Amino acid sequence: QVQLVQSGAEVKKPGASVKVSCKASGYSFTTYAISWVRQAPGQGLEWMGWISGNSGNYAQKLQGRVTMTTDTSTSTAYMELRGLRSDDTAVYYCARDGTYLDPWGQGTLVTVSS
Amino acid sequence: QSALTQPPSVSGSPGQSVTISCTGTSSDVGSYNRVSWYQQPPGTAPKLMIYEVSNRPSGVPDRFSGSKSGNTASLTISGLQAEDEADYYCSSYTSSSTWVFGGGTKLTVL
Repeated sequence: QVQLVQSGAEVKKPGASVKVSCKASGYSFTTYAISWVRQAPGQGLEWMGWISGNSGNYAQKLQGRVTMTTDTSTSTAYMELRGLRSDDTAVYYCARDGTYLDPWGQGTLVTVSS
Repeated sequence: QSALTQPPSVSGSPGQSVTISCTGTSSDVGSYNRVSWYQQPPGTAPKLMIYEVSNRPSGVPDRFSGSKSGNTASLTISGLQAEDEADYYCSSYTSSSTWVFGGGTKLTVL
């Protein structure tokens, strides 16, 4: 079955960077994009960007701090966020991106704390 | 890109129907049929319930239905069940080749 499995929880200090991975299985990885969505504690969903091969698009508010990449040899997508702040504390999800987002990974909690 | 507008909360008794609205603009909901709805019980990842305005993925009960008129999409849940209690989010593709979510609606089954 189609499945996305994400890397484990991270604790980072303000100003640091974090890189979250998302390994896809059960479908042709290059046929779909991967979107990244985050959810701060008690808050709603926030779309961060999508990546497909060498093409991508990021949410304007994250431009300059986020980079999304893929490794087609391992069917894995990556999301790197730099200059972490306390308000970046959130669960980060990846999702297969066609004309809708499905399925979703299990989520990766990133905590930013000094 | 501003978030789509959803009511913060809705409620209904078992067996009743509820409708959640999702209002966007002519740059997102009004221009694309790439409107989807996601269900998120506490502590879990979102689950796709409706895609492309009104289509149900395999396994989603036909109690869930979607529609769109102009810049507003709607999710209707009929025959409410206790297990439907969750947060619901709408999403739309936009003219900037991005996705935008609604703020979320908490459904309480009384």
